[in-house]
Amino acid sequence: AQSVAQPEDQVNVAEGNPLTVKCTYSVSGNPYLFWYVQYPNRGLQFLLKYITGDNLVKGSYGFEAEFNKSQTSFHLKKPSALVSDSALYFCAVRPLNTGFQKLVFGTGTRLLVSP
Amino acid sequence: DSGVTQTPKHLITATGQRVTLRCSPRSGDLSVYWYQQSLDQGLQFLIQYYNGEERAKGNILERFSAQQFPDLHSELNLSSLELGDSALYFCASTQVADSYNEQFFGPGTRLTVL
Repeated sequence: AQSVAQPEDQVNVAEGNPLTVKCTYSVSGNPYLFWYVQYPNRGLQFLLKYITGDNLVKGSYGFEAEFNKSQTSFHLKKPSALVSDSALYFCAVRPLNTGFQKLVFGTGTRLLVSP
Repeated sequence: DSGVTQTPKHLITATGQRVTLRCSPRSGDLSVYWYQQSLDQGLQFLIQYYNGEERAKGNILERFSAQQFPDLHSELNLSSLELGDSALYFCASTQVADSYNEQFFGPGTRLTVL
């Protein structure tokens, strides 16, 4: 079965410090991987995706993510956190080479950046 | 603003009732996805339509149904509502059918069943 795990319900970080939001996945075949962010009372917004190629993917708002096939992980990172980064972050996976069309989302990680 | 619109923004109704949620995709997008977000279930894929045809089905209850019309807007019908159906319902759209493209999400409809 396809699944995504976000092991941390919440991540706390001080403004200016680096942040990491963790994601691991389990799929049949090679995956497409995504990160989305949800601000309060808003829909999800796309941050970045990994399809193929370079394992380090750069996305919106200074975020990046590293695909690690051996560890089946796709952790979201940012070198210097902003208070405005506080939001709910979702990792999602869509397996390649299957007829499996839908995205499978993790449970979400709440990021809280303190001033 | 993603370009995806959803109405209504909020909906309060009683158990046993039926409601219809509406979604208009981004201009040019042919595929619409419906998701349910609740505290206990997280974000769950319900169903996908592409150019009027059902494309993929997820964890959609038999009490729920959806359709996509010729103008590409979509409606999600929820009937015989239960307290547990209270959730945020999102639609998303993409230009093509396959979900390897990033999806553009609407602001959601918050459904409260009393």
